[in-house]
Amino acid sequence: AQKITQTQPGMFVQEKEAVTLDCTYDTSDPSYGLFWYKQPSSGEMIFLIYQGSYDQQNATEGRYSLNFQKARKSANLVISASQLGDSAMYFCAMRDRLGGSARQLTFGSGTQLTVLP
Amino acid sequence: ETGVTQTPRHLVMGMTNKKSLKCEQHLGHNAMYWYKQSAKKPLELMFVYNFKEQTENNSVPSRFSPECPNSSHLFLHLHTLQPEDSALYLCASSPGTSAEETQYFGPGTRLLVL
Repeated sequence: AQKITQTQPGMFVQEKEAVTLDCTYDTSDPSYGLFWYKQPSSGEMIFLIYQGSYDQQNATEGRYSLNFQKARKSANLVISASQLGDSAMYFCAMRDRLGGSARQLTFGSGTQLTVLP
Repeated sequence: ETGVTQTPRHLVMGMTNKKSLKCEQHLGHNAMYWYKQSAKKPLELMFVYNFKEQTENNSVPSRFSPECPNSSHLFLHLHTLQPEDSALYLCASSPGTSAEETQYFGPGTRLLVL
């Protein structure tokens, strides 16, 4: 079974509106971390936000927030007030202690976000 | 400006060539990583170094040979590659003091094997 599932290959959003990018995960480790990265066409993976499995509150970083629903095993990224520069590929990733190095990140297949003017 | 740099940014090589990719991090980190990103596939971890010691090799073919001379530098030596090795190769680093830490990526090297 895939550890990280991103079901939206592509998403469109109007500039200044909010958008939610979906991510579901699968692990039996009670201690894990969830990450979102942004990859513009230039290729660099830019870290956006982190959520630990024991964190009581949803993580927020500026216009980015993570809607963490532990029981549903989902960690959706919400981008508020979209900007043209937000157009990029977005990857959800997870780190747990199963099946490999504790440092290993498992990435989803990504969602290509396009912000329309 | 990124704290992780990679050179070259683009590389075209023949299957009989030998080349090296270089990664340098300016963040004072102790763990460094090589990832491969192929078209339409999720990122795949290749190698992990922690305090200059290789701690992970995810069944990577021997035509890829990593080298970590110090905590700031990581190389990926390439020889007799195949066309299917064409991909974006990303380097990352993290503090290395805990598994609970964020990895920071470089801009990547786009490799084309002819």
